[in-house]
Amino acid sequence: AQKITQTQPGMFVQEKEAVTLDCTYDTSDQSYGLFWYKQPSSGEMIFLIYQGSYDEQNATEGRYSLNFQKARKSANLVISASQLGDSAMYFCAMIHQGGSEKLVFGKGMKLTVNP
Amino acid sequence: DAGVIQSPRHEVTEMGQEVTLRCKPISGHDYLFWYRQTMMRGLELLIYFNNNVPIDDSGMPEDRFSAKMPNASFSTLKIQPSEPRDSAVYFCASSPGTNFNEQFFGPGTRLTVL
Repeated sequence: AQKITQTQPGMFVQEKEAVTLDCTYDTSDQSYGLFWYKQPSSGEMIFLIYQGSYDEQNATEGRYSLNFQKARKSANLVISASQLGDSAMYFCAMIHQGGSEKLVFGKGMKLTVNP
Repeated sequence: DAGVIQSPRHEVTEMGQEVTLRCKPISGHDYLFWYRQTMMRGLELLIYFNNNVPIDDSGMPEDRFSAKMPNASFSTLKIQPSEPRDSAVYFCASSPGTNFNEQFFGPGTRLTVL
C-alpha cells in the first residue's frame, strides 16, 4: 500500500530565507507521481509542483523546487526566499500509475513565515 | 476560466437530516474526485469518477454516503442520515486525465452536523 509520511508538524522560518519541507513515501510501484499542495488558512488546496518517478531532473516551479531522492524515497519541497504569504499547510501526495487515479495525501505540515 | 465550483460553501444541519453537496468540475475534465478532510484523518479520497462513471468508491465510509454524476458538469455527494462525525470539509476536485495530471480543487464545503 502506498503511504506518505510528513513528520514535521510545524516549522517556522524567517522571511526571505529558504525552507525545506520533508516528505517520505512508501510504494512498491516503479511508476508513480509526487505532488505538493498548499492549503492557506482560507482553505483551498493549491497545486504547487509535480515530480514523476522517471523524471531525471528535479522539478522546479518558480520559488518551489522538489528535491527528489528516489533511492531514499524522499520528495522534499524547497521554498526559496520565503514570503509571508507562504504561511500555510503543505501536503505531500502520491499517485500510482497504471489504473487508479487515487491521490494519497500525507498528514500535512504547517509552515509559518515570520517577518 | 472558472475553477471547480462547490455549493454550498457552508452547511449546518442537525443529526439525522439529509445533506447534499454539489460540485461542478472544470469543463473538459474527465475525472472528478470527492475528498473529505478532518483533523483526525487528514485528506481522504471518498470516490472518483471517470467520464461520469464511478471508478473507485472504496473510500466511501458507509452506506449513508452516496455520490452521483449524472452528467459531465455536475456531481453530488449525499449523506443520509447525517451524523455529527460526518462534520468535515468536503472537497471536490477535477482532473483533465491520466499521465499524472494535477487535480484542481474546489473551495470545499464545510459541513457541521449538530
